[in-house]
Amino acid sequence: GESVGLHLPTLSVQEGDNSIINCAYSNSASDYFIWYKQESGKGPQFIIDIRSNMDKRQGQRVTVLLNKTVKHLSLQIAATQPGDSAVYFCAEGKAAGNKLTFGGGTRVLVKP
Amino acid sequence: EAQVTQNPRYLITVTGKKLTVTCSQNMNHEYMSWYRQDPGLGLRQIYYSMNVEATDKGDVPEGYKVSRKEKRNFPLILESPSPNQTSLYFCASTKALAGRTGELFFGEGSRLTVL
Repeated sequence: GESVGLHLPTLSVQEGDNSIINCAYSNSASDYFIWYKQESGKGPQFIIDIRSNMDKRQGQRVTVLLNKTVKHLSLQIAATQPGDSAVYFCAEGKAAGNKLTFGGGTRVLVKP
Repeated sequence: EAQVTQNPRYLITVTGKKLTVTCSQNMNHEYMSWYRQDPGLGLRQIYYSMNVEATDKGDVPEGYKVSRKEKRNFPLILESPSPNQTSLYFCASTKALAGRTGELFFGEGSRLTVL
């Protein structure tokens, strides 16, 4: 079946270091992938997306990499800050579809 | 301010007592959806609506109903709540997903406990 999963449930990172959050997916027909950030007590918040015909996309302090050969997605956060502490979800969808399929989430803990 | 508003944010109820969680968005979005979030299971879609009077089942629709009489509102109805519906619920909206990358705007969540 279709699934979107994450390699690590918890990631501890030192403030100022770079973070890399990984996600594996199995639906090769997905048209786009999205990363969401969820802070404690809040709803998920869109971070960045990438279409399936791209392999890299950069935002402000974040970069998403897509490797379709191994069906792997990653989110890189540069110079991780305390405010980056949250749960991060990857999600995948199809352009003509009606929903996103979310992974289980990775918790990022930033140590001062 | 652009937002998705859910009410109530917290609710404790008993088995069988009908309840409604309201959701309203002020962004003129066509698409609205309900998700439930459970530990280890991530976000799972309950129902979605592509536009007014157009609703459809998601992955876990059993025990839930929805309606979309107005574009801005998408209430989630639990006719006879059961303990397995204890969860954190999120409403989300966006411009129509088709052809887009589906940036969903989420509400703050409604934590429901069914005793």
